[in-house]
Amino acid sequence: GNSVTQMEGPVTLSEEAFLTINCTYTATGYPSLFWYVQYPGEGLQLLLKATKADDKGSNKGFEATYRKETTSFHLEKGSVQVSDSAVYFCALGSSGAGSYQLTFGKGTKLSVIP
Amino acid sequence: DSGVTQTPKHLITATGQRVTLRCSPRSGDLSVYWYQQSLDQGLQFLIQYYNGEERAKGNILERFSAQQFPDLHSELNLSSLELGDSALYFCASSVDGANQPQHFGDGTRLSIL
Repeated sequence: GNSVTQMEGPVTLSEEAFLTINCTYTATGYPSLFWYVQYPGEGLQLLLKATKADDKGSNKGFEATYRKETTSFHLEKGSVQVSDSAVYFCALGSSGAGSYQLTFGKGTKLSVIP
Repeated sequence: DSGVTQTPKHLITATGQRVTLRCSPRSGDLSVYWYQQSLDQGLQFLIQYYNGEERAKGNILERFSAQQFPDLHSELNLSSLELGDSALYFCASSVDGANQPQHFGDGTRLSIL
């Protein structure tokens, strides 16, 4: 079956540091890949997505590239801010027989300190 | 604001009871998804409905059921509740069932005492 593995947290960084959160996946076929972010007390928000190999998703300074050869979708940001503190989820989307579902990683909590 | 509305925000009840969680999708979205988020299991897909019909089932217990009504709102029914059912339950919606981003509500926190 499909699965997503992302780096364990928590991750603590100083403001303006470089961020990488690793994500690898196992899937059959050609899934779409997503990063979602969850701020305290809120639901998940879509951060970025990529639908095919070599696509790069980007939003709010975050980037991730769909690497089929390494089955990875690592999240990066060049300079984090305190407001980026949240839990980040990598997810894989798969279709089948008229259905669609997301498989999530366990989440990585990021804390950015001033 | 994602446009997905979930009620209630918090629910406290006892073991053996039954509860109903409600979700109103974003305007124009036909697909509704339910997820359970717990500390030990993470975020798990429960069930998907598309335009009133069940489309996919994930790790949903037999004690749980859901439906999507003609106005596209959805309800998740949890019965014979156990302590382990304490979790955050999220609803998400998307335009259709294929490859579109899902928009999440703020969740219902269920606490079983």
